[in-house]
Amino acid sequence: SQTIHQWPATLVQPVGSPLSLECTVEGTSNPNLYWYRQAAGRGLQLLFYSVGIGQISSEVPQNLSASRPQDRQFILSSKKLLLSDSGFYLCAWSPGRGSLNQPQHFGDGTRLSIL
Amino acid sequence: ILNVEQSPQSLHVQEGDSTNFTCSFPSSNFYALHWYRWETAKSPEALFVMTLNGDEKKKGRISATLNTKEGYSYLYIKGSQPEDSATYLCAFYAGGTSYGKLTFGQGTILTVHP
Repeated sequence: SQTIHQWPATLVQPVGSPLSLECTVEGTSNPNLYWYRQAAGRGLQLLFYSVGIGQISSEVPQNLSASRPQDRQFILSSKKLLLSDSGFYLCAWSPGRGSLNQPQHFGDGTRLSIL
Repeated sequence: ILNVEQSPQSLHVQEGDSTNFTCSFPSSNFYALHWYRWETAKSPEALFVMTLNGDEKKKGRISATLNTKEGYSYLYIKGSQPEDSATYLCAFYAGGTSYGKLTFGQGTILTVHP
């Protein structure tokens, strides 16, 4: 069966520090991968999605970047965190091409607090 | 920019009540409508993926309907239980150039009181 791992679960970082959140998927190949953020009092906002290694699409202008160095690994990064980067970050996967009617499957999330 | 609206924002019901809430989405370029349940301290869990106008799906006491021509979906919970307390999210998937991308509504927060 497929599983998705996301870490860390919580993170407290000072303003201006770098960030690296990692997400890995097991039990499937060529998944679509997604990074979402839920800011306080708001819904889920798609930040990045990837349909293959090295292929990243950014949804909103921001202080963050994403990379997909391996098929089942998705990394969310920042060189210098801002206060506005605080929030709850979720990684998700869905089957790749040919399975567009399938749901997305989410990791447990990372609560990021910027001080 | 795709607009997906959910109403109400929050809902309090008593155990045993039946309830429903709404998701509104663009009626053009429709491909699929997803429903997810997000319990506190857990990750969102898929309930339904609906693709056909008039579709009805059921999972236990939860069911959903879809009207793609007018752009709405209803989620129903029959005989609510405290364990149904969660945020219910709908998400719209438009085919074509927005391949693989879901646009989520803000969610309906359901609290079921014993």
